[in-house]
Amino acid sequence: DIQMTQSPSSLSASVGDRVSITCRASQSISNYLNWYQQKPGRAPKLLIYAASSLQSGVPSRFSGSGSGTDFTLTISSLQPEDFATYYCQQSYTTPWTFGQGTKVEIE
Amino acid sequence: EVQLLESGGGLVQPGGSLRVSCEASGFTFSSYALTWVRQAPGKGLEWVSAVSASGGNTYYADSVKGRFTISRDNSKNTLYLQMYGLRAEDTAIYYCAKVPYLKFASGTSRDRYLDSWGQGTLVTVSS
Repeated sequence: DIQMTQSPSSLSASVGDRVSITCRASQSISNYLNWYQQKPGRAPKLLIYAASSLQSGVPSRFSGSGSGTDFTLTISSLQPEDFATYYCQQSYTTPWTFGQGTKVEIE
Repeated sequence: EVQLLESGGGLVQPGGSLRVSCEASGFTFSSYALTWVRQAPGKGLEWVSAVSASGGNTYYADSVKGRFTISRDNSKNTLYLQMYGLRAEDTAIYYCAKVPYLKFASGTSRDRYLDSWGQGTLVTVSS
């Protein structure tokens, strides 16, 4: 199975900060990488698919980059509603696997 | 608007069985693959199973293979997950999620993601 490792596991930031979360795959997955946001008690929500494509309705402050084994989710200016846990997920091969999550907290 | 509504969760004893369902609306149900993803309390996300749009192809995580069966009834717009031989480690919220393509893990990277999720149903395995 492909292992997905996110860093950091958690971070504290302030409203307006630029935030980056990294996801590394245990083998090359081309651009088969998706990002989800999950708020407490809620289902995950798709933010980015195919490494860099913004899902319809998602604010443009979210962006994704990377290919191969290293990927980044960037929030250009953190908003109060962005405090949540973020997961990367590979869809290159079955089983689809997720990173362990990165919790973004208020500083 | 796509809506996915899970039901059927509850408390079951170890070794027991349970079937959870996911009723869909707002899209052409028979045209898309569907998956189950679970989340143990306070933990991360784990992909469990998937089924193609026709129901003819099914996929399972090793952790549930041989114990869980995924199926769908396209006439009822409903996805199912039949679970047998339940273990404490199966305790989780079970989410159904839609794939934007008729086949699972097929097509390009632009066809392989989970674009809509239900609110989840909690399955607790305990004596």
